Amino acid sequence: DIQMTQSPSSLSASVGDRVTITCRASQSVHRYLNWYQQKPGRAPSLLIYVASSLQSGVPSRFSGSGSGTDFTLTISSLQPEDFATYYCQQSFTTPRTFGQGTKVDIK
Amino acid sequence: QVQLQESGPGLVKPPETLSLTCAVSGGSISSGAYYWSWIRQHPGKGLEWIGHISVSGGTYYKSSFKSRVTISLDTSKNHFSLNLSSLTAADTALYFCARDFSSGIDVWGQGTTVTVSS
Repeated sequence: DIQMTQSPSSLSASVGDRVTITCRASQSVHRYLNWYQQKPGRAPSLLIYVASSLQSGVPSRFSGSGSGTDFTLTISSLQPEDFATYYCQQSFTTPRTFGQGTKVDIK
Repeated sequence: QVQLQESGPGLVKPPETLSLTCAVSGGSISSGAYYWSWIRQHPGKGLEWIGHISVSGGTYYKSSFKSRVTISLDTSKNHFSLNLSSLTAADTALYFCARDFSSGIDVWGQGTTVTVSS
């Protein structure tokens, strides 16, 4: 199975901050890397697919980059509604695997 | 747009079998090149992929579940199902059904909590 490792596991940030989360795969997933946001008590929602494509309806302050084994999710200017947990996931092969999550909370 | 809704028992005794159903509305389960998926989340933990089924009926399971999991599709009822046998307390979790379009999971159910306890 492909292991996905996110860093950091948690971070504290302020509204307006630029936030970067990284995700590393144990082997190449090419560009088949997706990012999700999950708020407490809610299902995850897709933010970014195939590394850098913005899902419909997702604000443009979210962006993704990378290929192969190393990927990044960037929030250009953190908004109050962005405090949540973020997961990466590879869809290159089965089993689909997720990173352990990065919790973004208020500084 | 397509919506998913899980249903099933909230409490199951060990070592019984869990049966969950995911009703698909707003579209046909047979259309498109989708994988219909089950994912779970232990309390306070991350997301764990269980498996999925393609429109053609091909199934793929995480190896740690392989001996006790079955995912099936019922096109006449426009739903798909998860059966997980030999339950233990470690299977207590929030279970999501979801639609995987190969480049991501774009539709999720709201999730259903399953507690395994005698």
